[in-house]
Amino acid sequence: QQPVQSPQAVILREGEDAVINCSSSKALYSVHWYRQKHGEAPVFLMILLKGGEQKGHEKISASFNEKKQQSSLYLTASQLSYSGTYFCGTELQTGANNLFFGTGTRLTVIP
Amino acid sequence: DTGVSQNPRHKITKRGQNVTFRCDPISEHNRLYWYRQTLGQGPEFLTYFQNEAQLEKSRLLSDRFSAERPKGSFSTLEIQRTEQGDSAMYLCASSLAGQGTEAFFGQGTRLTVV
Repeated sequence: QQPVQSPQAVILREGEDAVINCSSSKALYSVHWYRQKHGEAPVFLMILLKGGEQKGHEKISASFNEKKQQSSLYLTASQLSYSGTYFCGTELQTGANNLFFGTGTRLTVIP
Repeated sequence: DTGVSQNPRHKITKRGQNVTFRCDPISEHNRLYWYRQTLGQGPEFLTYFQNEAQLEKSRLLSDRFSAERPKGSFSTLEIQRTEQGDSAMYLCASSLAGQGTEAFFGQGTRLTVV
C-alpha cells in the first residue's frame, strides 16, 4: 500500500526545475504532498483530489493521473528554501482516511 | 499558536519503562492521527480517531501501544515496556472529517530507548 517515489534524491542549482513522482498500486482518492526539513515536522504543501480539485501551495504545482494512480510534483525556479525531503501521502478510495507515505525524495538546492 | 502541539519534544527512556506522549490538535479538527517515523523513512500510520472514537489501528500497533482521546480533544499515546525498536519520531496530525481533507502535523516527539 506504500506508494513509490522517484527519484530518491536530486540536487538542483537555484532557479532550476525538478519533478518528483509518486506512484501507487492501489486506486486513490487523493494525493497529499508534504515537505519535511531535517528535525522538523512535515509541512503540508498541497492535495490533489480525484476529479481534479487541488488545494494548496501557490508556487508549487502538481498533477494527479487517476487512471494511472500517479502524481507528480513540479518545482519550478527552485529556491534555497525548497530544500528538504518531499513525501507523497496517498489516500485510498476505500475510505480508510489515513495516509500511506512514500519513502521520500531528498531535494537539495545549492546556490 | 493554533497548530498541532505535541509534548514532550524529546524523551529518553530505559528499555522496559512506560512512556506517554500527548497531542493537542487544531481546535476545530475532529480527526486525529498518530504516525511513527524512523530515519530515512516516511511516516507510518499507527492509528486515528474521529472525535473520541478510535476508528482504525494499524497492524504495526502492538499490544504494548495504546492511544486514547477521551473527550475528543487531546490524545495520548502510551507505550508500555519500551523496546529499543520503539525508538522513532512519533508524529501527531489532525484534520477535519471527510475524504480529501488536509492533515497538519505537529512537531513530533522523538523517543530514544536506551
